[in-house]
Amino acid sequence: EPEVTQTPSHQVTQMGQEVILRCVPISNHLYFYWYRQILGQKVEFLVSFYNNEISEKSEIFDDQFSVERPDGSNFTLKIRSTKLEDSAMYFCASSGDRGRGTEAFFGQGTRLTVV
Amino acid sequence: AQSVSQHNHHVILSEAASLELGCNYSYGGTVNLFWYVQYPGQHLQLLLKYFSGDPLVKGIKGFEAEFIKSKFSFNLRKPSVQWSDTAEYFCAVRKGSQGNLIFGKGTKLSVKP
Repeated sequence: EPEVTQTPSHQVTQMGQEVILRCVPISNHLYFYWYRQILGQKVEFLVSFYNNEISEKSEIFDDQFSVERPDGSNFTLKIRSTKLEDSAMYFCASSGDRGRGTEAFFGQGTRLTVV
Repeated sequence: AQSVSQHNHHVILSEAASLELGCNYSYGGTVNLFWYVQYPGQHLQLLLKYFSGDPLVKGIKGFEAEFIKSKFSFNLRKPSVQWSDTAEYFCAVRKGSQGNLIFGKGTKLSVKP
């Protein structure tokens, strides 16, 4: 069964450092998403990406965040200068057809710890 | 702003007990509704979804949910839980034509053997 894969599973970084979280979406999917879940809180939408550009982003997704699809398979989330409050589980998701009756498939997540 | 409310933070049941987890949303237009489950150490997996048609939808592992439009609710049910249902359950809503999901805070279910 096709799946979304994320690497690394756990990343520890010092405050102020840049991190890149990587995702390989399901190969024939067209829409890609990043969500995050701070410990004990709900899953929050960060950004959606379609046709090589951001289609929607939340208030959380400020200038410190960026996304990229550098090649035909990877989808990355970069945090430019990490803060303690960026510590969370980050989930990548992909779907085949935006808003037309398909669900999002999620990766296993990357736990980011900022120290 | 659109929101999704899950009323129970942590539910503890014995095996064979019946389960109902509440979910209410605030958006008034056409919505797609989902329940996702996250087993310990695993990723979010789809349990069931509602797009249109019969408001009673059946999902995997014996779960079902009922969409009640007048109550803006999409409660998850299972007649008899098993220890293996121990997990966190998330309700999610997508406005009809947009792609991102709005999640509830999740309900942790612990089933005692």
